[in-house]
Amino acid sequence: DTGVSQDPRHKITKRGQNVTFRCDPISEHNRLYWYRQTLGQGPEFLTYFQNEAQLEKSRLLSDRFSAERPKGSFSTLEIQRTEQGDSAMYLCASSSNREGTDTQYFGPGTRLTVL
Amino acid sequence: AQKITQTQPGMFVQEKEAVTLDCTYDTSDPSYGLFWYKQPSSGEMIFLIYQGSYDQQNATEGRYSLNFQKARKSANLVISASQLGDSAMYFCAMRERNQAGTALIFGKGTTLSVSS
Repeated sequence: DTGVSQDPRHKITKRGQNVTFRCDPISEHNRLYWYRQTLGQGPEFLTYFQNEAQLEKSRLLSDRFSAERPKGSFSTLEIQRTEQGDSAMYLCASSSNREGTDTQYFGPGTRLTVL
Repeated sequence: AQKITQTQPGMFVQEKEAVTLDCTYDTSDPSYGLFWYKQPSSGEMIFLIYQGSYDQQNATEGRYSLNFQKARKSANLVISASQLGDSAMYFCAMRERNQAGTALIFGKGTTLSVSS
């Protein structure tokens, strides 16, 4: 199995611009998670999908953020009208109910810098 | 209140020595899962080891073992025979309700530096 992949790995944008990140989970993993990690902190949960259904959203996920997983495979996370406070590492993870502990496996992350 | 507390911002160890990274947690849920992840400077979170709250024995995975003390609510990671490649940030995480689809709650991490 290939691991979780994320694209792009780095993104620099100007305040006010929209950005979109992509996550490809481990094949056949039906669960997908997005987290955000700021410098010196652990990751914080943003949202969770089971197949194509978005089942949970954190309060951190403001109206400017939207996530989709249209066919239950890859997912996108869009941030509209970016702000400097959005600068962070965005991590995607996937898991499967076939594996007893439902361990979440993470991708390499997308590092966003908002100027 | 912090759900996961890692009190050691940084730890230093020499190659081939063992090191313990501390983690305490706070939950009233009887069913929970505890995880340790390693994050090298490249940024990827690498899963190391898992312990379920009902597991009777401490988890082990190669050089990694988890010292699980349920009454004290601690889940310390022990790395035996440290290697230079172990230098990284280490995060303890908890999944409350220990059911699929539940978000992980992470601590602030401990930076481990291994020297030769």
